[in-house]
Amino acid sequence: DTAVSQTPKYLVTQMGNDKSIKCEQNLGHDTMYWYKQDSKKFLKIMFSYNNKELIINETVPNRFSPKSPDKAHLNLHINSLELGDSAVYFCASSPSSGRTHTQYFGPGTRLTVL
Amino acid sequence: ILNVEQSPQSLHVQEGDSTNFTCSFPSSNFYALHWYRWETAKSPEALFVMTLNGDEKKKGRISATLNTKEGYSYLYIKGSQPEDSATYLCALANQGGKLIFGQGTELSVKP
Repeated sequence: DTAVSQTPKYLVTQMGNDKSIKCEQNLGHDTMYWYKQDSKKFLKIMFSYNNKELIINETVPNRFSPKSPDKAHLNLHINSLELGDSAVYFCASSPSSGRTHTQYFGPGTRLTVL
Repeated sequence: ILNVEQSPQSLHVQEGDSTNFTCSFPSSNFYALHWYRWETAKSPEALFVMTLNGDEKKKGRISATLNTKEGYSYLYIKGSQPEDSATYLCALANQGGKLIFGQGTELSVKP
């Protein structure tokens, strides 16, 4: 029944490694997002895809690469992990990219880089 | 750069108290304002989407008002209950649908 799911829930890894976080939504939404919760607990948009097309790409290091194989999935791949990448990453989806559309959030993935 | 500010950062009230908190945002080029409720160890859940100046929305004991001309929205909780304890986030939507979140108001309701 989970609407927006993320795997894994926790990820502990060494600096320099490459890792992926997966996100799936079963709501039939067209738009998906990745957010990072920073150290001050702000939720900040990283990327957004609408029907598999990138529509929002914030100032994020090139080491972060989103991939959307279909509109129900948006995965986040991170290369050469750094200590500063430690954060909670949230996936979200909405019916479309409109500004009045509610976004539905996943449970978050807590990434710890050692 | 759009800046969304929420106050207070945290609030402690007794069960049964009514409370309110504020979300401030730039009043120019307003498109929409979202309110979310975020319980610890859960995902943010949508409360309201507000678009028009003077909008008032209500869901149970929670209501919100919007003033786009002066750039603020108030969230009210009537008769707070312990289960209302959560962080309340507001987010300003830009023209492209991107949400810019405030830092949130952390509400704690003591029985």
